[in-house]
Amino acid sequence: AQTVTQSQPEMSVQEAETVTLSCTYDTSESDYYLFWYKQPPSRQMILVIRQEAYKQQNATENRFSVNFQKAAKSFSLKISDSQLGDAAMYFCAYVLTGSEKLVFGKGTKLTVNP
Amino acid sequence: KAGVTQTPRYLIKTRGQQVTLSCSPISGHRSVSWYQQTPGQGLQFLFEYFSETQRNKGNFPGRFSGRQFSNSRSEMNVSTLELGDSALYLCASSLDFSGGADTQYFGPGTRLTVL
Repeated sequence: AQTVTQSQPEMSVQEAETVTLSCTYDTSESDYYLFWYKQPPSRQMILVIRQEAYKQQNATENRFSVNFQKAAKSFSLKISDSQLGDAAMYFCAYVLTGSEKLVFGKGTKLTVNP
Repeated sequence: KAGVTQTPRYLIKTRGQQVTLSCSPISGHRSVSWYQQTPGQGLQFLFEYFSETQRNKGNFPGRFSGRQFSNSRSEMNVSTLELGDSALYLCASSLDFSGGADTQYFGPGTRLTVL
């Protein structure tokens, strides 16, 4: 079965500090893409970062970066210099190449404390 | 460029009724996918349309159906509503220029409540 596991249902971080959200996935395929999406209370799902599985270099997007370990099927998200606006549900997901079916984890609720 | 739009944003129906939700993708995007989000099951893939054809389907009963029009706009329909259909329904669009795995951009969702 294709699954995504986010082992931390909730996390909290102090403003300006760094937090890492964990994600592991399970697929027997070798070609896929990984994503982190955030969903604030407004419900709009927003793309945070994207990683191609064939790339060894970890993706970075401003304060957001990932640690992609393909052999371990691990894809964690690091948020540096956390801001109040980062508070949201964060979802890890992957999609197989040639498919549009995103497989999501259950999400991690991130709270940012001032 | 305008984002993905979904109408209506909120909907209240009673059991046994049917409902139609609408999604307008980002201009130029050809693929539209639908997801159901519930507290218990999380985000689940419903189906995906490309060039007016359903390419992928999730594990949902036949009461859930959809279609895509020539302008890429999509609708999904749920017939004979059940209480368990109460959920946030999200639509996502992508370019699908490379044949798959393009980033999907989501709309704000339609909150369906079944009484």
